[in-house]
Amino acid sequence: KAGVTQTPRYLIKTRGQQVTLSCSPISGHRSVSWYQQTPGQGLQFLFEYFSETQRNKGNFPGRFSGRQFSNSRSEMNVSTLELGDSALYLCASSKLAGGSETQYFGPGTRLLVL
Amino acid sequence: AQKITQTQPGMFVQEKEAVTLDCTYDTSDQSYGLFWYKQPSSGEMIFLIYQGSYDEQNATEGRYSLNFQKARKSANLVISASQLGDSAMYFCAMREPSTGNQFYFGTGTSLTVIP
Repeated sequence: KAGVTQTPRYLIKTRGQQVTLSCSPISGHRSVSWYQQTPGQGLQFLFEYFSETQRNKGNFPGRFSGRQFSNSRSEMNVSTLELGDSALYLCASSKLAGGSETQYFGPGTRLLVL
Repeated sequence: AQKITQTQPGMFVQEKEAVTLDCTYDTSDQSYGLFWYKQPSSGEMIFLIYQGSYDEQNATEGRYSLNFQKARKSANLVISASQLGDSAMYFCAMREPSTGNQFYFGTGTSLTVIP
């Protein structure tokens, strides 16, 4: 079974630009979550989608948005990029969104904002 | 208050020895899930082990075991017979229904295995 895939793996953007990251979950998984990881803030939850609906949202500005498609693939968009948005963005999927459900992570997208 | 606390920023262990990575959690829910992940320098988070709050037995997965002490709200990861490939960051995490089963992660522990 293929794991979680994320594209692109590496990205360089400049301040003010926007970026879209893509995540394909494990086949059969309906829940997709996004995280931002930085050396200073650690792993921070962005949002979670389940069956095309946003279930949970972390404490990030409105510049960060996401969506999920009917095939469970998810995209995350960051508009008006800032230097502080440089981070590893991790996507994780699980079959459902229950408390015992394990999340499986993709390899991440490393975003560098110049 | 922090949901997950990992108090050991860095740990060293001799190859073939056992090591315990500490994790304490904070929740008022009766039902919750506890997880450990490993993150090598490549960046990918690898799932290691899961413990449900109602599980009476400590979870084990190969060389990994979870020392679950519910009354103390601790969920320590024990790695037996450490290998060089175990050198990585280790994160403890929790899901609880009262916050929509969102994952909460600790700040991680960097483990270095010394040959």
